[in-house]
This record gives sequence, structure tokens and C-alpha cells, in this order.
Amino acid sequence: RKEVEQDPGPFNVPEGATVAFNCTYSNSASQSFFWYRQDCRKEPKLLMSVYSSGNEDGRFTAQLNRASQYISLLIRDSKLSDSATYLCVVRIEGRRALTFGSGTRLQVQP
Amino acid sequence: GAVVSQHPSRVICKSGTSVKIECRSLDFQATTMFWYRQFPKKSLMLMATSNEGSKATYEQGVEKDKFLINHASLTLSTLTVTSAHPEDSSFYICSARGTSGSKETQYFGPGTRLLVL
Repeated sequence: RKEVEQDPGPFNVPEGATVAFNCTYSNSASQSFFWYRQDCRKEPKLLMSVYSSGNEDGRFTAQLNRASQYISLLIRDSKLSDSATYLCVVRIEGRRALTFGSGTRLQVQP
Repeated sequence: GAVVSQHPSRVICKSGTSVKIECRSLDFQATTMFWYRQFPKKSLMLMATSNEGSKATYEQGVEKDKFLINHASLTLSTLTVTSAHPEDSSFYICSARGTSGSKETQYFGPGTRLLVL
């Protein structure tokens, strides 16, 4: 079983739509959580950290549910430029490298 | 956020040759850097953890004699793919630890696309 699981998608949504991605993690030693974005043939880039109380950055909202061990990302008013793969990322206690999910692909259509 | 540079961005080489990829942390010191490999439409796979001044730590299944890592300074790590073969063709990405707000996270270099003919 993967330690970080994501629906690979693709999610095909029209411009302006609201879309949500979920991610589940299995290691109870998971301490910190992030969402990264990776464009085709590019490196992953940090989108936002995820805090226990939930946090928002413009059109993006991240939530963490420690009891159920899942993280979510909500994108409002989708833009064409939001098309990318979104990676759910976890820092597990005792490991130096972050643990990455395999990503969820989003395609926003005109 | 922190900036990580990587060179070259793209390389094409003949089978049997060796290729060196450089990863630099800009404006910050990185005692630890990570090397990943990513095949098309697949997830990132951690290959090894590069430690400044000591030997790299390799993930299971990664040949340390084939993928040589040197972390000679706090801002530079190199990955050398020795005797490259077509199956080594991939996207190689380095990463360094940095801080975002109050959280420690990882920042990635722009990647090196390797094609072995």
C-alpha cells in the first residue's frame, strides 16, 4: 500500500468550475503536509503548506483531517493555467526526504 | 522560497558514456540534497540522499556504482550516471531542503532531461 494515495484523474473541468482533490496518508508519523504543483515536463513547485486549521491562498484552500488522515485541496474559479498535476506531499517523522503521492492531473477546459 | 539550479537542462549522449549533472543551492546552504528520477507520466522516485562531506544514502534498488553522487560543498551536489544505457533515459531532478513560513519543505531544481541513444 502506498503511504500517500491520490486519485490519478484526470479531472476535466470547465473554466470557472470549483474542483476538489483528496489525498489520504497511512503513516501515523506524518507531521507536515503540502501541496505541490507540477506542470508537464517541469519540476514540482510548492503550491502551499497545509495547516491543521485549514488555510487559504487566493482561490486555493487546503484542509487537513488528522483523525481520518486525509488532506484536501479546493480550487475555486478554475483557470486554464491551473491545468497541471497536483502532488500531495507528506513529511514523515524520522525521514529526511518528503514522501510524494503520485499526483492528480487536472485539465481545465475553455 | 529557496532557489535550486540544475545543469545541464537537457543532455543527449551515446550509450556507454557518463553524464554529470550539477545541482546548486542559491543563496542558502544545503547540507542535504535529494536526487529523484521521474519517468513519463509516473511519480517522482527518490534515488538517493546526498550528504555534504559524507557518503550518499541510496534507496533500495538504486545502484550506487552506477549513480555516483558527490556533495563536496554546502551548495553543490553532483550526480554522475556512469556507462549510461537507453533505459537510464529519464527526467532527473535534484531537491534541497528549505523553509516555507515555519515549515521545512523541499525546493526542486528545474530538472535534467537525459536521453541515451
